[in-house]
Amino acid sequence: AQTVTQSQPEMSVQEAETVTLSCTYDTSESDYYLFWYKQPPSRQMILVIRQEAYKQQNATENRFSVNFQKAAKSFSLKISDSQLGDAAMYFCAYRSPNYGGSQGNLIFGKGTKLSVKP
Amino acid sequence: KAGVTQTPRYLIKTRGQQVTLSCSPISGHRSVSWYQQTPGQGLQFLFEYFSETQRNKGNFPGRFSGRQFSNSRSEMNVSTLELGDSALYLCASSLEWAGELFFGEGSRLTVL
Repeated sequence: AQTVTQSQPEMSVQEAETVTLSCTYDTSESDYYLFWYKQPPSRQMILVIRQEAYKQQNATENRFSVNFQKAAKSFSLKISDSQLGDAAMYFCAYRSPNYGGSQGNLIFGKGTKLSVKP
Repeated sequence: KAGVTQTPRYLIKTRGQQVTLSCSPISGHRSVSWYQQTPGQGLQFLFEYFSETQRNKGNFPGRFSGRQFSNSRSEMNVSTLELGDSALYLCASSLEWAGELFFGEGSRLTVL
């Protein structure tokens, strides 16, 4: 069974600085999807960034980028120019590919609580 | 376009009761998934429905059940509530099965 581990329960960053959140996963599959989700306090979870395992190029979405190391089974999230609105719980998630008989549910890590200091 | 709507947002029940939670997906989305979020266990998958059929189920006891209607709206039911069922129940919809998920704000259930 696949597992996702986020080893940093809490992180803190100064406004305008850069922070990296770590995520490792375990799987025997060669093709899969990885995601970072953001859950602000008392607000809905939103997708920050996604990465397809077959793509070697790291995904980037504005100030958010990932460092995907397939061999090491590592998927870290870098937030540049941190803003107060980035304060939230961040969840790393894994999903098997969508083909007949495969389970398409997300497997989440326990999350990292990010605080942003003004 | 309206997002995923979950009702009720908050509810309090006592042990042994049952509860029904509702989820209205984004218009046009045919898949609805449910997740349980607790401080101890984190986010755990409950089940996924697509076109009124349960396509996938997580490792939860039979007290947890769900269904999807022809308009894609979904309900989940928990019978014989236990204290450990206290959690935030998140619903997510996607355009297709196992597609990109869009989450609702959740229904926070407290069992006393």
